[in-house]
Amino acid sequence: TQLLEQSPQFLSIQEGENLTVYCNSSSVFSSLQWYRQEPGEGPVLLVTVVTGGEVKKLKRLTFQFGDARKDSSLHITAAQPGDTGLYLCAGGLRVSNTGKLIFGQGTTLQVKP
Amino acid sequence: DVKVTQSSRYLVKRTGEKVFLECVQDMDHENMFWYRQDPGLGLRLIYFSYDVKMKEKGDIPEGYSVSREKKERFSLILESASTNQTSMYLCASSLRFWSGANVLTFGAGSRLTVL
Repeated sequence: TQLLEQSPQFLSIQEGENLTVYCNSSSVFSSLQWYRQEPGEGPVLLVTVVTGGEVKKLKRLTFQFGDARKDSSLHITAAQPGDTGLYLCAGGLRVSNTGKLIFGQGTTLQVKP
Repeated sequence: DVKVTQSSRYLVKRTGEKVFLECVQDMDHENMFWYRQDPGLGLRLIYFSYDVKMKEKGDIPEGYSVSREKKERFSLILESASTNQTSMYLCASSLRFWSGANVLTFGAGSRLTVL
């Protein structure tokens, strides 16, 4: 069974602070996605990385895929209350054409004003 | 705006009842998924379907079944609900073509409470 370990599970910080969320596995993934989920809603895709070592930026969010495609990180600079939510990483497996994803446990982020 | 719609946002059922959770997508996606979301456990795959009338078990299929009679509709069935099936259920869909970066579009979720 493939596992994706996400850490930390909970993070409460003040507005303006920086933070990093990690996603680690012993499995190699063909892609790694990050989703954000707000209360009462389903997860929404933030980014997809597919190449080992790839770095993508989305405003104050920086996503990195590990060189070996086994891990990923999400870094938020100068967090704002609007960043509050549940962040989920998901690894893509090239086992079939069904697009099955393996999800991490999630990181609940609270940014206090 | 493309959507995945879960018809019931909140349900309260009694132990032993049969429960149907309906999901409809308007994006002509081949793949549809049912996940269960519990705090600290992330999303766990119950069943998925890659075509009409086709289904495959996910990681936690016990106690659940599914039906996909039409491409746009994927139903999750709890034959005899139990209290340990109290959870948030998320439906998702995606295109069939596997490019190594398959993106899931999720519904808003159905929160089921079994008493």
